[in-house]
Amino acid sequence: QLQLQESGPGLVTPSQTLALTCAVSGGSITPGGHSYHWIRQPPGKGLEWIGNIFPSGTTFSNPSLKPRVSISIDASTNQFSLRLTSVTAADTALYFCARASGNFFPLSYWGQGILVIVSS
Amino acid sequence: DIVLTQSPGTLSLSPGESATLSCRASQTVSSNYLAWYQQKPGQAPRLVMHGASTRATDIPDRFSGSGSGTDFTLTITRLEPEDFALYYCQQYTKSPFTFGPGTKVDLK
Repeated sequence: QLQLQESGPGLVTPSQTLALTCAVSGGSITPGGHSYHWIRQPPGKGLEWIGNIFPSGTTFSNPSLKPRVSISIDASTNQFSLRLTSVTAADTALYFCARASGNFFPLSYWGQGILVIVSS
Repeated sequence: DIVLTQSPGTLSLSPGESATLSCRASQTVSSNYLAWYQQKPGQAPRLVMHGASTRATDIPDRFSGSGSGTDFTLTITRLEPEDFALYYCQQYTKSPFTFGPGTKVDLK
């Protein structure tokens, strides 16, 4: 059974960089067809798609966040990562990682989420 | 971006009743790449429906999806206590893969 687990600091200082990692277990991250996503949910609000990456390294991101977002993948550790620069209080959210079976597939597997608070 | 609008915002129903949730897109969702997710408090979303009308693994047949183009519907018949939750639609036909604002199905 595929499992995803987010990790990273739960508190980030404004203007700094938020860095999260998603560990994938129960399956290899390298089969080329799958895509790996980041989604966030501000407290009490809806879901916002941040971006995704394929094992090839190809990435797509939400234009609303694109200048600040970087997504990477590490096949050797079976993990993928999110970096969000210049954070503000508006970036406070529950961050989820998820996997789709490929391009034009829904998000079938989700991590449990990690709450990141941006505050000094 | 494809903007998704969901209605109603909240549905107050009793167990055994039926729920009809609507998702409308600002432009055509090609190939009906439209999914529905269920989210309960403190949990990650769970895929319920994809391709507009295909139930995800382990989803009971009281859940059904329909629609095409810009108008989609998720219907839950004979509501069970575990069905009371938030439901989001998402299009995955065009990046950014946007979500709707959600419909809450709560207990009357």
